[in-house]
Amino acid sequence: EDQVTQSPEALRLQEGESSSLNCSYTVSGLRGLFWYRQDPGKGPEFLFTLYSAGEEKEKERLKATLTKKESFLHITAPKPEDSATYLCAVQGDTNAGKSTFGDGTTLTVKP
Amino acid sequence: DGGITQSPKYLFRKEGQNVTLSCEQNLNHDAMYWYRQDPGQGLRLIYYSQIVNDFQKGDIAEGYSVSREKKESFPLTVTSAQKNPTAFYLCASSIVALYYEKLFFGSGTQLSVL
Repeated sequence: EDQVTQSPEALRLQEGESSSLNCSYTVSGLRGLFWYRQDPGKGPEFLFTLYSAGEEKEKERLKATLTKKESFLHITAPKPEDSATYLCAVQGDTNAGKSTFGDGTTLTVKP
Repeated sequence: DGGITQSPKYLFRKEGQNVTLSCEQNLNHDAMYWYRQDPGQGLRLIYYSQIVNDFQKGDIAEGYSVSREKKESFPLTVTSAQKNPTAFYLCASSIVALYYEKLFFGSGTQLSVL
């Protein structure tokens, strides 16, 4: 059974204080690891897909990295508008393309 | 603009009542999904459909039913058999099911019990 664990549950940062969010996963035959951003009361928005260990992707202040056991979402010099819940999901060989989600990390960036 | 439209945004259910949540997409995606999200938790799959007139149960299908009569539409009915229906319901779609694609989400429906 695919499993995803995200840590920490909540993270409070000052504006400009860089940090990382962790996504640990167990999956048989990783086919894709996905990061989404979710604002309160709204649906998740896609950020990144990572397919293989060593892969990295960047978008503005966000950078996602992948190893064989975990993924990190690095946030550099965050701004208050980066405040949201960040969800990690995996798809594996044995789950027929269905996504398994973690519980998310809620990020709050104070000005 | 292409996207997924969910309605209503808020819905209230009385004891013993069935309610239906609407999901329409104009992205021409083959696959559609329904997820349930409880506070502080991740998304759990209720039902998914890869093609018109076909759908499969997800991890928590008990107390729910769906139909897929048109490619664009995938309504979810929360039946009276679902004893704890209060949650945030999200509809999603992907280009082609089973090909490890990202999901596009609607804006969600918050269902509460009166």
